[in-house]
Formats: sequence, C-alpha cells, structure tokens
Amino acid sequence: DTEVTQTPKHLVMGMTNKKSLKCEQHMGHRAMYWYKQKAKKPPELMFVYSYEKLSINESVPSRFSPECPNSSLLNLHLHALQPEDSALYLCASSQVHRRLSNQPQHFGDGTRLSIL
Amino acid sequence: GESVGLHLPTLSVQEGDNSIINCAYSNSASDYFIWYKQESGKGPQFIIDIRSNMDKRQGQRVTVLLNKTVKHLSLQIAATQPGDSAVYFCAENPTSGTYKYIFGTGTRLKVLA
Repeated sequence: DTEVTQTPKHLVMGMTNKKSLKCEQHMGHRAMYWYKQKAKKPPELMFVYSYEKLSINESVPSRFSPECPNSSLLNLHLHALQPEDSALYLCASSQVHRRLSNQPQHFGDGTRLSIL
Repeated sequence: GESVGLHLPTLSVQEGDNSIINCAYSNSASDYFIWYKQESGKGPQFIIDIRSNMDKRQGQRVTVLLNKTVKHLSLQIAATQPGDSAVYFCAENPTSGTYKYIFGTGTRLKVLA
C-alpha cells in the first residue's frame, strides 16, 4: 500500500464538467507534486508545491487548477477538459531537506481520468 | 535481448540472471538521479537514488552506476525474479535546489521463467 492516497481511482467526465482530484499524505512531506502520465510514456511534471506555495507550473493550461489547502492535502481542480487530457494523474510528495535539497518522491497510484 | 522502437523499449531476462537497464540523461548540470519501478496499475515506486558526487551506490539486489562523462546511468538488478517485471524509469533533477524532475522514456523488464 502506498503512503500517498489519491481519490478517486477512476473518473469519467464530460468536457463541460467540473471535478477535483484529491491527494493526501501524512509523512510530513512539505513538497507535493502533480504529474500527468499517458500510456506507455513517462510521467510529465505539471505542478510543484513547496511549503504549500506553488513553486513550479510547467506551462499547464488553465483548465487545470492546483490547490494546496494544507501540508497534507493537494487538489487538482478540473474544468472544461479536452479528450487529449485523458491520462493517469499522479500525485507525489517528498521531504524538504535544507542541505540536501533533493529527496526521493513517494507516488500515489494515480487517478485514471477519461474525458468523453 | 533489448528492443527499441516506437514502443516502450523492452528487456527480456531469464529468471535468476542479472539485469542491466540503461538510461541516458540530458543535462550535464543534473546532480541527483532516481530509479523508479512502475507496475501495471500502480504509481512509480522508489528503488534507489544517487547524487552526482558518487559513481556507484548499492542497495538490496540493486546497484546504480553513474557515468557523468557520458551522461549515462544504469540500474543493475541481481538474480532477477518474476516480481521484478515492471517498467523502470530513471529521473534526473536538472536544476539543483529545485524540485523539478525529468523522467526518462522508460524500459519494460520482462522476466522469463
């Protein structure tokens, strides 16, 4: 079982719907990430939050809106998505270490999103 | 053997043999590297990491080698088991001090009984 929990596991939505993906971790990690992964492809970074503040946005379309309400939760709000947005959306978290700035990421099992 | 093409590169290995999965990274300034294993229907799982001030690191049944001269990373799995069948990704951190990670294209490891 993963220590990063993502809900829902599967989501089917129409192009006009509004939905949210949720991610939760209780490891005390202060960096949290959203990735998009298409079939047979590597994960692609979308957003990074550090200490609940957005630190990286990889030029993601505004129909994806991230939110980090507290240190344990990360949301991804979806609105007016396109069929090409169908993918596995992965959340990850990592420690923030002052001297060793990079630490391994822990991933959830993702939300499989299908846009009709 | 290993095949590369339009599909995910695949490495087929006999059970009990050693596996070597290779990764070429892009940025000579990258200073931190991670290997992940992704099984079907799951998220990537951390295997081992290495910083650029090292050229080798060993874990349980796994060894990572880093050659900064040719920007090459490899993952060696000793005595490969059926449970090792998965897709393996390397990831690099191209900008020190940030949390940006770039994943390699991935290699599918198939363990033959």
